[in-house]
Amino acid sequence: DSGVTQTPKHLITATGQRVTLRCSPRSGDLSVYWYQQSLDQGLQFLIQYYNGEERAKGNILERFSAQQFPDLHSELNLSSLELGDSALYFCASRSESSYNSPLHFGNGTRLTVT
Amino acid sequence: AQSVAQPEDQVNVAEGNPLTVKCTYSVSGNPYLFWYVQYPNRGLQFLLKYITGDNLVKGSYGFEAEFNKSQTSFHLKKPSALVSDSALYFCAVRDDFRGASHNNDMRFGAGTRLTVKP
Repeated sequence: DSGVTQTPKHLITATGQRVTLRCSPRSGDLSVYWYQQSLDQGLQFLIQYYNGEERAKGNILERFSAQQFPDLHSELNLSSLELGDSALYFCASRSESSYNSPLHFGNGTRLTVT
Repeated sequence: AQSVAQPEDQVNVAEGNPLTVKCTYSVSGNPYLFWYVQYPNRGLQFLLKYITGDNLVKGSYGFEAEFNKSQTSFHLKKPSALVSDSALYFCAVRDDFRGASHNNDMRFGAGTRLTVKP
């Protein structure tokens, strides 16, 4: 068990809808990362938050947004959903105690857009 | 910007044989290298990381990785493969270069699917 919790495990929704994915990082980790994993794109970095502030942004669409709350949990909001948004969405957290501390991943949320 | 390549989409080995999963990287500064494994319907699990000065790094489940600076590689190895090692393996890199507009986020390879046959 990585200590990173993601909910829900599965989401099925229709095109045009909006969903929210939730992540609770490992105890003590201030950084939260979001990744998208699809069959043809591999693991794509979306966005990183550190202690409530956005730190890095990757290939995140304008229809997607995220935030990290004071209790350090994070939410990823996906709106105007398209069929191509169907994927596994992973959250990971990391201790910033050293530069080579690894990411710890949750088990992901599988999003299916119909 | 940092990048990592896994040249093989698929690696097949027989149980008991040695296995190698290849990874090459490109960084602007010093590399911080990692291997992760993903089992079906699970998140990525950390296997091992490169530690400066140790060209052979030992990790979980009997895996090890060999760092080669001149070849910019960090290949994952195991002397004797198990059927239970069958999974998707990801190499990842981060560098410590702190230039303007440089993004230090961790970059992952496309993954290599390892299949170990009995």
